[in-house]
Amino acid sequence: NAGVMQNPRHLVRRRGQEARLRCSPMKGHSHVYWYRQLPEEGLKFMVYLQKENIIDESGMPKERFSAEFPKEGPSILRIQQVVRGDSAAYFCASSPLRESEQYFGPGTRLTVT
Amino acid sequence: TQLLEQSPQFLSIQEGENLTVYCNSSSVFSSLQWYRQEPGEGPVLLVTVVTGGEVKKLKRLTFQFGDARKDSSLHITAAQPGDTGLYLCAGTLGRNIFGTGTRLKVLA
Repeated sequence: NAGVMQNPRHLVRRRGQEARLRCSPMKGHSHVYWYRQLPEEGLKFMVYLQKENIIDESGMPKERFSAEFPKEGPSILRIQQVVRGDSAAYFCASSPLRESEQYFGPGTRLTVT
Repeated sequence: TQLLEQSPQFLSIQEGENLTVYCNSSSVFSSLQWYRQEPGEGPVLLVTVVTGGEVKKLKRLTFQFGDARKDSSLHITAAQPGDTGLYLCAGTLGRNIFGTGTRLKVLA
């Protein structure tokens, strides 16, 4: 059973460009979570999605950031008009149920130049 | 406000020493997980504790869930350089709430 997949592993964008981060959850998992991590810091919750629905987006910046988890295909975290402060590692996790253990992907390291 | 506080934030010890990491909250959780994250990787689930007072062992790691299910501890016996990493606790409260993390470095 494949684990959580994230791609790309590394992404470089210039200021003002768009970044699209993809996450394929573990087979059978319908709950997806996105987190952001700055160097030497802990995980910061961004958004929680269940198939086709955003359940909790309390950690998402109000502008430029959006997330989706369509019926078919991976979950996408989209950052428009990136700025240097968006540089971070973005982790996706999935779980089979709402209140169960989360399994993490390897992360996407975004660098904004 | 941080729902889950971990202490210490940083810990640097010599190989062979014992250590304890704490995860504290004023909230009651239905379950609590511990993860370890190594540099450049995603967090890896180590254990889940569910029952108040529960103790689980994973080789040299001992995890305990507080009687009131508000806190937990992780004890490592005879630490090794391979134990180096960021240790995160996460409590289930609607969704998983992650702690502030403890960064452990074990020196050879």
